[in-house]
Amino acid sequence: GEDVEQSLFLSVREGDSSVINCTYTDSSSTYLYWYKQEPGAGLQLLTYIFSNMDMKQDQRLTVLLNKKDKHLSLRIADTQTGDSAIYFCAESISSYHSGAGSYQLTFGKGTKLSVIP
Amino acid sequence: EPEVTQTPSHQVTQMGQEVILRCVPISNHLYFYWYRQILGQKVEFLVSFYNNEISEKSEIFDDQFSVERPDGSNFTLKIRSTKLEDSAMYFCASTRQGREKLFFGSGTQLSVL
Repeated sequence: GEDVEQSLFLSVREGDSSVINCTYTDSSSTYLYWYKQEPGAGLQLLTYIFSNMDMKQDQRLTVLLNKKDKHLSLRIADTQTGDSAIYFCAESISSYHSGAGSYQLTFGKGTKLSVIP
Repeated sequence: EPEVTQTPSHQVTQMGQEVILRCVPISNHLYFYWYRQILGQKVEFLVSFYNNEISEKSEIFDDQFSVERPDGSNFTLKIRSTKLEDSAMYFCASTRQGREKLFFGSGTQLSVL
C-alpha cells in the first residue's frame, strides 16, 4: 500500500537553511505536497509539485522531486523562528467515482522543525 | 483568501454520546473531505464526498460515522456513539476540482472521556 516516510525531528540555527526529506512509495502519485502545522493550528498548504516536475521554487521554499528514487525534499532558505512547526509531506492518490475525480492524501508522520535563535 | 472553517474548535463528550462536527467548505468547491489525526500519529483519510454522496471512504469510516451536506454551505461529520479511540483532531478539507490542492480547516479537537 501507499506509505510516506519522514524523519521526525530537525533542528537548525536561525538564518541557516533547513532541508526536510520525505520518501514515498506510490509511483502513480500525481501531486506531492508540503503542509505546515503550527501548535494548535490546522494544516496550512505550503507548496506542492506536480509529479512531472523536478523542482519548484517559491520565495524561500524550494521543492526537489526525484521521481526515480521517490524522494521529495523541502528546503527553507534563511530559516526563521516563525518557521518552527511540524512539516508534513503528502502524496495524492487519485480515484474515480461516478465519472468524477476525487483523491485522497497519504501523509507522513511529520517532521518537527525547531529553529534555534 | 477564502478558507475552510470548522466549529467547534474543541469538543468534549462522554463515551457513547453522539457528536456532530461542522465545517463550512470554500464556497465554490465541489469536493469535501474529512481527515483525522490521533495525537502523535499520521493524518488519516476518512471520507470524500462529491455530488451529495460519498466518493471514497477508508476502513476507519465504519457504520458509526456519517457525513451530510444539509444545505448549500455546511458539511458535517457525525459520530453516532463515540468511543475513547475516536479522540483526535478532525480536519475538514475541500477542493474545487478533484485533482487540485486540498485546503484544510483548522480542525476540531475531539476528546472522548
